[in-house]
Amino acid sequence: RKEVEQDPGPFNVPEGATVAFNCTYSNSASQSFFWYRQDCRKEPKLLMSVYSSGNEDGRFTAQLNRASQYISLLIRDSKLSDSATYLCVVNKGGYSTLTFGKGTMLLVSP
Amino acid sequence: DARVTQTPRHKVTEMGQEVTMRCQPILGHNTVFWYRQTMMQGLELLAYFRNRAPLDDSGMPKDRFSAEMPDATLATLKIQPSEPRDSAVYFCASGLVLGANTGELFFGEGSRLTVL
Repeated sequence: RKEVEQDPGPFNVPEGATVAFNCTYSNSASQSFFWYRQDCRKEPKLLMSVYSSGNEDGRFTAQLNRASQYISLLIRDSKLSDSATYLCVVNKGGYSTLTFGKGTMLLVSP
Repeated sequence: DARVTQTPRHKVTEMGQEVTMRCQPILGHNTVFWYRQTMMQGLELLAYFRNRAPLDDSGMPKDRFSAEMPDATLATLKIQPSEPRDSAVYFCASGLVLGANTGELFFGEGSRLTVL
């Protein structure tokens, strides 16, 4: 099983739709979780951290399920500008590094 | 706006040539990462420095790749000799790690390498 797995998509949704992505991780000792966003031919940028209790930032909600070892990202009221690849990122803690999933592509159409 | 600066942005070279990519991390950051991104593999970690010391380069092909941080303002990634399979986008990222927690990583715009 890969360390971090994501459905590559693409997810094609109309403007205003709600869309959700899941990401599974293999190492139960993982401690920190993030969602990064990467626009086409650009660098990844932090979208939000994922906390154990779940967290929300505007239209974006991230949740962590440690028992099933997955994190999720929910986007409400999708905008055209949300079109991007969303990267799931996991850190085992200590001096270990961040492991990136291959990303899920989202395409929001008018 | 503080940002990670990478050079060159684009590089086309022939197989067998040496390639050197440079990165200036954000001032004050204590960690530097080199990642390689391809369509097939996604983002792969090549090297990781903390306080200029290499902590993890297990993802880097040692026979042809080398990564160094000669000072706090410069990180380099060298490929010698380059091969077509090295064609990818190479990202440098820096961050401020406090204790055991890895915070936000700030990525440079990447160096797009094509080896013919």
